[in-house]
Amino acid sequence: DAKTTQPPSMDCAEGRAANLPCNHSTISGNEYVYWYRQIHSQGPQYIIHGLKNNETNEMASLIITEDRKSSTLILPHATLRDTAVYYCIVRVATNSGYALNFGKGTSLLVTP
Amino acid sequence: GAGVSQSPRYKVAKRGQDVALRCDPISGHVSLFWYQQALGQGPEFLTYFQNEAQLDKSGLPSDRFFAERPEGSVSTLKIQRTQQEDSAVYLCASSLASAGAEQYFGPGTRLTVT
Repeated sequence: DAKTTQPPSMDCAEGRAANLPCNHSTISGNEYVYWYRQIHSQGPQYIIHGLKNNETNEMASLIITEDRKSSTLILPHATLRDTAVYYCIVRVATNSGYALNFGKGTSLLVTP
Repeated sequence: GAGVSQSPRYKVAKRGQDVALRCDPISGHVSLFWYQQALGQGPEFLTYFQNEAQLDKSGLPSDRFFAERPEGSVSTLKIQRTQQEDSAVYLCASSLASAGAEQYFGPGTRLTVT
């Protein structure tokens, strides 16, 4: 199973872009990169996912390098409510299901 | 619409007691997952259901842990003879299908074993 490496913590000023990196150098060709976040005392929340093309939705953008060994989640205009732990996950298949291997994630603090 | 709900939100159990944690997934969601989250750690997979079938229970830490989903909707995670190391937040997630679908998480049940 491909593993991911993320910095343990990052800071970002409110209104600025938050760029969260993730390394997944052992990713397989058919594995997707997923991003979830977990706000304090809540369950994780899906943000975005991609295979090899860059993706954008109303929450964020996902940039995946051409060799797929790393990716960056971009929150274009961070707000205080974006303070959370962000998890970069390479999807793992388990007996027809797709359990998520969360790791420790990056704790993002958005400051005023 | 209604999201995934879990009950109780908080549970305190004395060591050795049995506990039952309930998960109500989003209506129509085929897949249901249970995760365990220790303090300061990311969630860890426990078990997976597709409808009423438990297809993967490889993450259950011991035979004291048992999960069921008899009618393919509500699920219960039961822990027998609780130990202090069972103290954690137990998260339930559901998804529309087994492959490629995003998972929707409930708020979790915080279990404290004293």
